[in-house]
Amino acid sequence: GNSVTQMEGPVTLSEEAFLTINCTYTATGYPSLFWYVQYPGEGLQLLLKATKADDKGSNKGFEATYRKETTSFHLEKGSVQVSDSAVYFCALTHNSGGSNYKLTFGKGTLLTVNP
Amino acid sequence: GAVVSQHPSRVICKSGTSVKIECRSLDFQATTMFWYRQFPKQSLMLMATSNEGSKATYEQGVEKDKFLINHASLTLSTLTVTSAHPEDSSFYICSARDREGSSYGYTFGSGTRLTVV
Repeated sequence: GNSVTQMEGPVTLSEEAFLTINCTYTATGYPSLFWYVQYPGEGLQLLLKATKADDKGSNKGFEATYRKETTSFHLEKGSVQVSDSAVYFCALTHNSGGSNYKLTFGKGTLLTVNP
Repeated sequence: GAVVSQHPSRVICKSGTSVKIECRSLDFQATTMFWYRQFPKQSLMLMATSNEGSKATYEQGVEKDKFLINHASLTLSTLTVTSAHPEDSSFYICSARDREGSSYGYTFGSGTRLTVV
C-alpha cells in the first residue's frame, strides 16, 4: 500500500537558518504529493503540492520538488522565521484500488524557530 | 480560496452522552469528506470516508456504531460520537475534497477538541 516516511524531528533552528525536512514515499503509479502545515490547536493548511514528476511546488518561501527517481519530496526553505514554527506533514494521494483519493500522511515534523 | 467551517472548535461532554461535530464547505461542493482523529504529538489517523448520499466507509478498527457519519448534502457532513467515554477525548479534523479535484484539492476544517469527563 501507499506510505510516507518523513523526518520526525523535532527540528530546532535559529531564525534565518536553512530548513530541510526529508520526505520519501512508496506508491504505485504517479501519486500527487503535498506538504501541509499545522499551527498549534488548528487544522491543516495546504502549504504546497506537486502532481507530476519534476514539478516544483512553492509557497511562502518553501519549496519541494517531486523526484520520482528517488521517490522523494523534500521540503526546503532558505531562511526560516519564528512564524514558521509549526508541525509539517508530508502526504500523498493516489486513487489506487478505488481508495477515493484519500490522503496518506507522514508522522509530522515539529519545527521550532528561535529568535 | 476554499473554506471548510468546522464546529464546535471545543466541546466538553459528560461520559455517556453524544456529541455532534459539523463540517460545512462554504464555497464549493464537497463530494468526499474525510474524518480524522489526531492524538497529541501524533499524525492524523483516518477514521472514515464519506461520499454525499451514501454510507461512509470506515477504516479498520474504527467502530461505525460509535462514530456515526452523515454526509447528507454536498456541503455538510457530520460526525457524531455516541456514548462518549474519556478514551474518545481527542482532536477531530474533517477534510473535504472538492467536486472537480481542482487546485483546491483538499481543504481541512480547523478541528474540534473533544474532552469527555
